[in-house]
Amino acid sequence: EAQVTQNPRYLITVTGKKLTVTCSQNMNHEYMSWYRQDPGLGLRQIYYSMNVEVTDKGDVPEGYKVSRKEKRNFPLILESPSPNQTSLYFCASSSRQTYNSPLHFGNGTRLTVT
Amino acid sequence: KQEVTQIPAALSVPEGENLVLNCSFTDSAIYNLQWFRQDPGKGLTSLLLIQSSQREQTSGRLNASLDKSSGRSTLYIAASQPGDSATYLCAAEGGPSDKLIFGTGTRLQVFP
Repeated sequence: EAQVTQNPRYLITVTGKKLTVTCSQNMNHEYMSWYRQDPGLGLRQIYYSMNVEVTDKGDVPEGYKVSRKEKRNFPLILESPSPNQTSLYFCASSSRQTYNSPLHFGNGTRLTVT
Repeated sequence: KQEVTQIPAALSVPEGENLVLNCSFTDSAIYNLQWFRQDPGKGLTSLLLIQSSQREQTSGRLNASLDKSSGRSTLYIAASQPGDSATYLCAAEGGPSDKLIFGTGTRLQVFP
């Protein structure tokens, strides 16, 4: 089954403790992206990647890192999490080989930083 | 800078009604307009994608239209059902290397 898999689904951590949220897709998509979703603010893009070893900042990249060493994986790293990073995070992917390919989303990771 | 707005923020209708959800965008130079559905605790599911050269797309009871000149897209849901209850989001893409800008969504409740 074609899918985007995020782990973990839920994560509670403390301020300053480094964490990684994994994202993997099995559709051979070139494009991958991370979003955070907050009430009243909608979905905002954190980072995106057009292909392996190519990453770019989105709208809200501060406090986050990403890497794209393999096509299928795009982990999101919070080196020193803070309470304002408490949010619902989504990974997404799409094909750039197919004209106007829709975006496929993972089921989300709900992060709480205390 | 592209801004996407969805009104109303919430909508409650009885089962069987035909309804229209609205999406407005400020920059008409879009590559495509996408509609998504989000169920509580779940990710977004792509419903329809309208390319900039198209006027509408249909999938089952769903029909999405695009009017670039007026900066509007509508999602029409025919014969609504309780299973249609979800949040519906639209997103405008500025180009093949550009990002999607999302609206904040319309939360739809269809009651029996």
